Amino acid sequence: DIQMTQSPSSLSASVGDRVTITCRASQGISNYLAWFQQKPGKAPKSLIYAASSLQSGVSSKFSGSGSGTDFTLTISSLQPEDFATYYCQQYNTYPYTFGQGTKLEIK
Amino acid sequence: EVQLLESGGGLVQPGGSLRLSCAASGFTFSYYAMSWVRQAPGKGLEWVSGISGSGGTTNYADSVKGRFTISRDNSKNTVYVQMNSLRVEDTAIYYCAKTTRYEHARSALHYWGQGTLVTVSS
Repeated sequence: DIQMTQSPSSLSASVGDRVTITCRASQGISNYLAWFQQKPGKAPKSLIYAASSLQSGVSSKFSGSGSGTDFTLTISSLQPEDFATYYCQQYNTYPYTFGQGTKLEIK
Repeated sequence: EVQLLESGGGLVQPGGSLRLSCAASGFTFSYYAMSWVRQAPGKGLEWVSGISGSGGTTNYADSVKGRFTISRDNSKNTVYVQMNSLRVEDTAIYYCAKTTRYEHARSALHYWGQGTLVTVSS
């Protein structure tokens, strides 16, 4: 199975900050990489697909980049509603696998 | 507006069976592959299974292969997962998700339901 490793596992930031989360695949996955946001007690929400394409209706403050094995999610100008857990997922090879999550907390 | 509504969760004993349903609306159901994803209490996300728009192609995580069966009824706009030989470690919230393509292979998850809780315990 392809292992997805996110870093950091947790991150403290302030409102207005710009943050970057990294996701590394244990083998190449081209650009078949998605990012999700999950708030406590809620279903995940899709943010990014194909590594850098924004899902419809998602704020342009979210951006993704990368290809192959290394990917990043950047969130600009953090607002209170952005504090959540973020997951990456590869959908290049079965079984599809998720990263362990990055918890973004308010400093 | 896309809506996905899961049902069928509950408490079941180890070795038991359960069938989850996910009723879809707001899009042409048969045009899109669907997936099930689960989340154990306090843990991360785990992809479980996927099915193509026609239902002709299915895929499973190794952890559920041979025990779970995904299916769909396009006339009812509903996707199912039949879960047999349930184990304590299958305890989780189960989410259904619409993907972005007809074929499940290399199709991104897009819209998610609110989930249904399955608890496997004696």
